Amino acid sequence: DTGVSQNPRHKITKRGQNVTFRCDPISEHNRLYWYRQTLGQGPEFLTYFQNEAQLEKSRLLSDRFSAERPKGSFSTLEIQRTEQGDSAMYLCASSFSPSEQYFGPGTRLTVT
Amino acid sequence: GQNIDQPTEMTATEGAIVQINCTYQTSGFNGLFWYQQHAGEAPTFLSYNVLDGLEEKGRFSSFLSRSKGYSYLLLKELQMKDSASYLCAVRDGTNAGKSTFGDGTTLTVKP
Repeated sequence: DTGVSQNPRHKITKRGQNVTFRCDPISEHNRLYWYRQTLGQGPEFLTYFQNEAQLEKSRLLSDRFSAERPKGSFSTLEIQRTEQGDSAMYLCASSFSPSEQYFGPGTRLTVT
Repeated sequence: GQNIDQPTEMTATEGAIVQINCTYQTSGFNGLFWYQQHAGEAPTFLSYNVLDGLEEKGRFSSFLSRSKGYSYLLLKELQMKDSASYLCAVRDGTNAGKSTFGDGTTLTVKP
């Protein structure tokens, strides 16, 4: 399978804990995106990388969220001091050109 | 601010044609995506329009009018498996990475 992969697929954590998600994009895709989606709504943009450079970051993101793509391949999204409102599906997408985006299966986060 | 409007729900009959509309008001425009999303799954890329006009891809076509801030997705020869949510998204970021999504149109195809 050469699609976008995300790990873990499901994460249950207690409020106040830190969590980290990983995204492995399609090989040779230099663009990588993170989104968050809650039930009944469209995905909400979080951040965008081109190679290892983080070029855009949503103003909605608080300081508790950080993302990295150290070698321009896989990316990690960390949420510190999780809150119940962080419960959502976290989606990663990648592309070679700006005219397409291919999504991974997502990581479902539940904060109790 | 960013505003993307789509109908919440639509129903159509198997074998028929359905048009899903999307209107947008965004601070920037670099292109418009359509995605299909089945319940519990990730969005699947369907089409991308950057110039005015109609793009056809099999049973699916997408139209864009930049002057009107309007797009539609046309689905022909509907099949039961087309029952899903259809998401319209505008690339509006400074570095063309950011996309703003509508909340999706849930299409139900009935026999």
